[in-house]
Amino acid sequence: AQKVTQAQTEISVVEKEDVTLDCVYETRDTTYYLFWYKQPPSGELVFLIRRNSFDEQNEISGRYSWNFQKSTSSFNFTITASQVVDSAVYFCALSAWETSGSRLTFGEGTQLTVNP
Amino acid sequence: EAGVVQSPRYKIIEKKQPVAFWCNPISGHNTLYWYRQNLGQGPELLIRYENEEAVDDSQLPKDRFSAERLKGVDSTLKIQPAELGDSAVYLCASSLGTDPDTEAFFGQGTRLTVV
Repeated sequence: AQKVTQAQTEISVVEKEDVTLDCVYETRDTTYYLFWYKQPPSGELVFLIRRNSFDEQNEISGRYSWNFQKSTSSFNFTITASQVVDSAVYFCALSAWETSGSRLTFGEGTQLTVNP
Repeated sequence: EAGVVQSPRYKIIEKKQPVAFWCNPISGHNTLYWYRQNLGQGPELLIRYENEEAVDDSQLPKDRFSAERLKGVDSTLKIQPAELGDSAVYLCASSLGTDPDTEAFFGQGTRLTVV
């Protein structure tokens, strides 16, 4: 079975602070993919990033960065210099070739509030 | 380009009544998903279609839920009869492919309240 755990239910920061959202996953598959999605108050989930299990290179995209560590089964997401518009629920998700095809297994989400 | 369109956005019904949700995926996307998102939780897959075929419906409560995707485009999800525990947001998503690395595009969802 696959499982994604986001231990942080809610995080509140002040604008311009850096914030890291944690994600830990479990899977028996050797080939899998990890995702981060953002869900603003409007409701739709917006794709942010995808990583495959063979690519542990960390990535930076503007104010966003991701840290994938296979040894600890973690895929953490950092927002640098947070802004009020970053306020949303962030979901980490997993899909695996053998087990589930393109079905996403989501964590329970982290509500991020950025205060002015 | 239009995204995934769902209707209605909100629905309030009494328990034991039927309800239906409609989804129009992004043009050209052959894979369509219905997810259910309970309050404070992540979405969970109910059913996945590849064109007109339901290829993953293992988590669809088939005693009261049904879905169809005629002509491999629009889809309808139905609940009959609805129960209080069905209150949730029902999200539709679509993607170009079926591989695990496929990016799924989500609609805004239908928020169902059963009273």
